[in-house]
Amino acid sequence: TQLLEQSPQFLSIQEGENLTVYCNSSSVFSSLQWYRQEPGEGPVLLVTVVTGGEVKKLKRLTFQFGDARKDSSLHITAAQPGDTGLYLCAGERNTGNQFYFGTGTSLTVIP
Amino acid sequence: NAGVMQNPRHLVRRRGQEARLRCSPMKGHSHVYWYRQLPEEGLKFMVYLQKENIIDESGMPKERFSAEFPKEGPSILRIQQVVRGDSAAYFCASSRNREETQYFGPGTRLLVL
Repeated sequence: TQLLEQSPQFLSIQEGENLTVYCNSSSVFSSLQWYRQEPGEGPVLLVTVVTGGEVKKLKRLTFQFGDARKDSSLHITAAQPGDTGLYLCAGERNTGNQFYFGTGTSLTVIP
Repeated sequence: NAGVMQNPRHLVRRRGQEARLRCSPMKGHSHVYWYRQLPEEGLKFMVYLQKENIIDESGMPKERFSAEFPKEGPSILRIQQVVRGDSAAYFCASSRNREETQYFGPGTRLLVL
């Protein structure tokens, strides 16, 4: 069973467009992280959100943690080809020692 | 300040052989995590180790897979008698302690022929 579901699974957009990626679960997480992974490399941490309703901005990227800490979204403004990659969310629960990764969203930004 | 290092980056094995994957954590990090990424799937947790201790191996297959993190040297993920279904990218992450950020290595791509 997949604890975290991401949507869409694949996204192909033109340079300059805006997009939102969603990460949803029926479980509560103590924290949630977003990663970007490029082909042949490991995931690179973008942000960690810990408080329900928290919003964090990283240049053109805006991350939001749901009020109930069950879901999160990543919004990219004016996408650029350099944003192309696999975006992964990962949640940490209060119980246990592991992170649960989402299914991933593969983003392609066309110049 | 080197990041997490994994080697080899690519490993080809025939069915029935053994695969040994190595992970050197970042300097100052004593917590290591192994994940497996299958095609079209997300990363799946396998095992969490501290120096000389396995803390959580709930994601490890019960047979053929083992992991260690000795006092000296890298963490090793060992897969005995590999099968085609073991073909995947195996990622290692490390952190300074349980609560801090995990940093990922570049992964080892295992191909079983």
